[in-house]
Amino acid sequence: GENVEQHPSTLSVQEGDSAVIKCTYSDSASNYFPWYKQELGKGPQLIIDIRSNVGEKKDQRIAVTLNKTAKHFSLHITETQPEDSAVYFCAASTGTYKYIFGTGTRLKVLA
Amino acid sequence: NAGVTQTPKFQVLKTGQSMTLQCAQDMNHEYMSWYRQDPGMGLRLIHYSVGAGITDQGEVPNGYNVSRSTTEDFPLRLLSAAPSQTSVYFCASSLGGAAGELFFGEGSRLTVL
Repeated sequence: GENVEQHPSTLSVQEGDSAVIKCTYSDSASNYFPWYKQELGKGPQLIIDIRSNVGEKKDQRIAVTLNKTAKHFSLHITETQPEDSAVYFCAASTGTYKYIFGTGTRLKVLA
Repeated sequence: NAGVTQTPKFQVLKTGQSMTLQCAQDMNHEYMSWYRQDPGMGLRLIHYSVGAGITDQGEVPNGYNVSRSTTEDFPLRLLSAAPSQTSVYFCASSLGGAAGELFFGEGSRLTVL
C-alpha cells in the first residue's frame, strides 16, 4: 500500500543553524504534500504545503522542496529558534483527503 | 471561533467497555476525520466523512464506528475497548473539495486497561 518514509526520527541542532527533514513517498499519483508541526500536548498544525506542479515553496524561514522524479520532498528550516522545537510530520495525498503521514521527526533546537 | 473541539481530553477504560469520543467543529467544514497517533507510527486514519450522512473507512477502522448526522459533529465510538486501542486520538476537519489544510483538535488520550 501507499507509504511515506520520514527521516530522521530525531534531530538536534544549535540555535541559528539549519534543519532539514526528508520524506519519500511511494504512490506516484500523490500530488499534495503538507507539513505539520505538533507542539507538546497539542494537535498538529499546518506550517507549509506544496502541490506537484511546484518544485519549491518558501515562507519566511521555512521552505519545502519537491522532487517528483525521485518521489521525495524535504522541509528546510533556516536560522532555527527554540520555539521551532516540536515534532514535524510530512504527509502525502493523491488529491483526496486520505493523507498518509510520515512517522514524525522530533526537532530539538539547543540554545 | 473554537475551531475543532474534542472531549474528553483523557479517559481510562477497562477492556470490553464502550465509549464515545466527541468531536465538534464550528467552521462549517464538510470534511471530518479521526486519526490515532501511536509512538513511532505517525498519524493513521481511522474513519472519515465528506459530509452529513456520508462516512468511509480509513487505514485502521476495525473496532471503531462513526456517524455524521450533522455537519458540526463527528463522534467516534469504541464498541468493546481493547488494550490495542490505547492511543491518542485526533479529530480533524477541512473545508472540502481538493486536498487542503486539516484543522486538528487538541487530542483525546485513551488508556485501555
